[in-house]
Amino acid sequence: GENVEQHPSTLSVQEGDSAVIKCTYSDSASNYFPWYKQELGKRPQLIIDIRSNVGEKKDQRIAVTLNKTAKHFSLHITETQPEDSAVYFCAAFSNTGNQFYFGTGTSLTVIP
Amino acid sequence: DSGVTQTPKHLITATGQRVTLRCSPRSGDLSVYWYQQSLDQGLQFLIQYYNGEERAKGNILERFSAQQFPDLHSELNLSSLELGDSALYFCASSVDGTEEKLFFGSGTQLSVL
Repeated sequence: GENVEQHPSTLSVQEGDSAVIKCTYSDSASNYFPWYKQELGKRPQLIIDIRSNVGEKKDQRIAVTLNKTAKHFSLHITETQPEDSAVYFCAAFSNTGNQFYFGTGTSLTVIP
Repeated sequence: DSGVTQTPKHLITATGQRVTLRCSPRSGDLSVYWYQQSLDQGLQFLIQYYNGEERAKGNILERFSAQQFPDLHSELNLSSLELGDSALYFCASSVDGTEEKLFFGSGTQLSVL
């Protein structure tokens, strides 16, 4: 089945710096890659997603890149702010398993 | 607000008991997923339903069961509860259970004492 690996598990950056979180997947049949932000005790919230026919997508300070050949995708947050502090999860939807496979999460701390 | 409704928000019970968690998907969504999140852990997939039928099964214990009703709401039943079952249980919904956006409810915090 699909296996999604996420790195790093923790990340601290200074306010205003950029943050990058990377995920790899194993199933070439995976074709949809969402990213979720989860604040403490809250629900995961979809912040950006990308489909396999697109290489990059941007929404204000957030961008996601996808390399299908290498089977990896990344979340980029620019000009980080303290409110960006949260746990971020990547996921891949595999048509083989017909379900979402989540990474183990990255705890991002933005230091004011 | 994601449009996915979960009740109750909090549940405190004792070992050996049985509880039912309820989820109403977003209007128009036919597929419901259940996830378990233990303290400082990731999202463990339990089970998925599409239009009343079970579609995919994850690491769901035999003590746990779920169903999706004709009105598309879903219930997750947890029985013979153990201390280790204490966790945040999330329901999520999507339009058709394929590679479409997945929206999460606010979760049910289960505490087994």
